Amino acid sequence: DTAVSQTPKYLVTQMGNDKSIKCEQNLGHDTMYWYKQDSKKFLKIMFSYNNKELIINETVPNRFSPKSPDKAHLNLHINSLELGDSAVYFCASSQDGQAVWEQYFGPGTRLTVT
Amino acid sequence: EDQVTQSPEALRLQEGESSSLNCSYTVSGLRGLFWYRQDPGKGPEFLFTLYSAGEEKEKERLKATLTKKESFLHITAPKPEDSATYLCAVPWLSSASKIIFGSGTRLSIRP
Repeated sequence: DTAVSQTPKYLVTQMGNDKSIKCEQNLGHDTMYWYKQDSKKFLKIMFSYNNKELIINETVPNRFSPKSPDKAHLNLHINSLELGDSAVYFCASSQDGQAVWEQYFGPGTRLTVT
Repeated sequence: EDQVTQSPEALRLQEGESSSLNCSYTVSGLRGLFWYRQDPGKGPEFLFTLYSAGEEKEKERLKATLTKKESFLHITAPKPEDSATYLCAVPWLSSASKIIFGSGTRLSIRP
């Protein structure tokens, strides 16, 4: 009965490859997010979707493309991977209203680009 | 620009030794301040929301307080299982759902 799940947990790939990370939440939340946590542990938002609609799109290279097929899923596709993309990527979700800032995070996907 | 600064960067305590973590912020019109806990290899876990100066929230050995300029996370008689990174965050400008995180305080409790 995992609340927010991500696959895969680890992803090792070479520069130039294209990869995807999948996220699913079974909490019935309306908003989902992608965060990047770098080696210094800074957690920065990348994208946010509300009911399949993109509402936050930070200054992220357009090699990163989120896709939300329904409000329970938010996937992240990355084209032409670069060394600097190595990080831990977290998916999160929250309910609308005042609880929107109470975000539930997935376990993370550690991406290593060699 | 809104900013969140946490100190210290790391804190090592003996089991039972109480202390406090600090989170200072520069935002106009604070709409809330949040504390999260992150264990190694896991995603952050929500702990508290504080909405106004003077507010306090408690959970087991943790108590969060808020003033007009900063928040403290007090840890009373900590145990080794309290070891984690503690993150604070604030809402970003007028965004409905975006929050910005501080860099965290890595807390280590020695038995």
